[in-house]
Amino acid sequence: KQEVTQIPAALSVPEGENLVLNCSFTDSAIYNLQWFRQDPGKGLTSLLLIQSSQREQTSGRLNASLDKSSGRSTLYIAASQPGDSATYLCAVIGWGGYNKLIFGAGTRLAVHP
Amino acid sequence: DTEVTQTPKHLVMGMTNKKSLKCEQHMGHRAMYWYKQKAKKPPELMFVYSYEKLSINESVPSRFSPECPNSSLLNLHLHALQPEDSALYLCASRENDEQYFGPGTRLTVT
Repeated sequence: KQEVTQIPAALSVPEGENLVLNCSFTDSAIYNLQWFRQDPGKGLTSLLLIQSSQREQTSGRLNASLDKSSGRSTLYIAASQPGDSATYLCAVIGWGGYNKLIFGAGTRLAVHP
Repeated sequence: DTEVTQTPKHLVMGMTNKKSLKCEQHMGHRAMYWYKQKAKKPPELMFVYSYEKLSINESVPSRFSPECPNSSLLNLHLHALQPEDSALYLCASRENDEQYFGPGTRLTVT
């Protein structure tokens, strides 16, 4: 059974720091991995999608890497801003259709001015 | 337009009520999903519709009844809910491998 773990559970940093959020999964046979952002009480916003054949994806200040063999993904946030404060969720999709997302518990990020 | 809309935003209902949640997308996606999210927990899959047919029901109680009238609309009918069903209900649609989520409906069962 696939399990997804995110470390740290919570993070509080001053503005301007470069951040690393970690995601690990137990079954390396994944189809792809998706990173989301969720503001309190809101829906999920897709940040980056990494296909199983890819090693990384970039969007603006965000960079996500994937190492299937070790069961890890990392979300790197450069030059953090207070507007980045949110919960960040990673989710893996296994093979077999329907693209069922299996989520980690998330990392709650607070960036203070 | 990469938007999934959900109505209502908030819903308070008693345990004997019948209500429905609505989800809509006009992106031409043929797979749609219902998720349930409790406070400070990740979303959990409830139902998957693919080409308007139910493909996955993750052992959800029968007091939740999904309906997909057409490819752009997904409903969740609620009946005789319990207080523990209070949660954020999220709808998503999928294009290729990426899922797009709506803002959710905050449901409170009293």
